Amino acid sequence: DSGVTQTPKHLITATGQRVTLRCSPRSGDLSVYWYQQSLDQGLQFLIHYYNGEERAKGNILERFSAQQFPDLHSELNLSSLELGDSALYFCASSALDLGTPLHFGNGTRLTVT
Amino acid sequence: GENVEQHPSTLSVQEGDSAVIKCTYSDSASNYFPWYKQELGKRPQLIIDIRSNVGEKKDQRIAVTLNKTAKHFSLHITETQPEDSAVYFCAARLTFGKGTLLTVNP
Repeated sequence: DSGVTQTPKHLITATGQRVTLRCSPRSGDLSVYWYQQSLDQGLQFLIHYYNGEERAKGNILERFSAQQFPDLHSELNLSSLELGDSALYFCASSALDLGTPLHFGNGTRLTVT
Repeated sequence: GENVEQHPSTLSVQEGDSAVIKCTYSDSASNYFPWYKQELGKRPQLIIDIRSNVGEKKDQRIAVTLNKTAKHFSLHITETQPEDSAVYFCAARLTFGKGTLLTVNP
């Protein structure tokens, strides 16, 4: 167990809808990262928060947004969903900023129908 | 931004053989290079990492080497076992390579 909790484990929704994915980092970790993993694809970096502040953005679509709350948990909001958004979304946390190991949660499997 | 290239995309070896996976990166400011193992249906897990002030690091059957001048780093697995079968990812900064599917045949 990595100590990173992601909910829900599975999500099935229709095109055009909006969903929220939740992540609780390991106790004491200040950084939260979101990654998207599509079938046969690697891990695509979406966004990084450190202690409540956005630190870096990757290939995150404008339809996607995220935030990290004062208690350090994070939410990833996906709106106007398309079939191509179906993927496994991982949250990871690390103790500090860049340069420390990432601890991944078990992911949220999103299926858009 | 950082760009990470990983090769090969698939690698099949016989049990007991060695396996080598190579990665190159583009940003000379990168100074931390982890390797993650992802078994089928599971989350990626760190197996070894190296920092830019070190050229090589070993942990039992796993080793990582780093050449900062050439901007490449490699994962070496010796005496491979069937349980080493998984997808391996290298990373630099926030960017991951596309992964290597390692299959160890008994």
